[in-house]
Amino acid sequence: DQQVKQNSPSLSVQEGRISILNCDYTNSMFDYFLWYKKYPAEGPTFLISISSIKDKNEDGRFTVFLNKSAKHLSLHIVPSQPGDSAVYFCAASDRGSTLGRLYFGRGTQLTVWP
Amino acid sequence: NAGVTQTPKFQVLKTGQSMTLQCAQDMNHNSMYWYRQDPGMGLRLIYYSASEGTTDKGEVPNGYNVSRLNKREFSLRLESAAPSQTSVYFCAGKGYNQPQHFGDGTRLSIL
Repeated sequence: DQQVKQNSPSLSVQEGRISILNCDYTNSMFDYFLWYKKYPAEGPTFLISISSIKDKNEDGRFTVFLNKSAKHLSLHIVPSQPGDSAVYFCAASDRGSTLGRLYFGRGTQLTVWP
Repeated sequence: NAGVTQTPKFQVLKTGQSMTLQCAQDMNHNSMYWYRQDPGMGLRLIYYSASEGTTDKGEVPNGYNVSRLNKREFSLRLESAAPSQTSVYFCAGKGYNQPQHFGDGTRLSIL
């Protein structure tokens, strides 16, 4: 049973607009959440993370929001750029248990068009 | 500074052949991981090694074995390859209080 879910396989956004990628989780023990970005023929690269003690973390154009009561997080990209077109994976971890193990969602393909 | 290096980048096998995928990191990571990525399935953990000398099963370990040869190297072995193991395999390393850092993958096809 998937513990991290990304229910939108794809998202298409115009350049300059906001991209919102969503992620839900089921395990209440998860306390650390990450977003990875993946281009074709490359490995995933770390983008941004958030600890469960926060509800928002910002890094330049990227902001992650965490709603613990809803077990939901989202990644906002503002403004979106064509170079942001990639697959985005949401991941979660229970840092109190097995060291560093991540549970990944299935990914959302973001396409930013000019 | 290469980070996490995976070899080979591509490989084609016949059913029943054996193969070892190599992974080496130069980032002094304690923990290392092997994932497979299949279309529409995201990244699924095969095995991981929290520290040198230890290995543990992940979500999809059947058909695979691993060796944490030393702190730098973590190999994944397919003893008798099956078409269901056609996938892209990613190795990752992780240091203390850092996110996992991935290699660029090995694309494996089994005919």
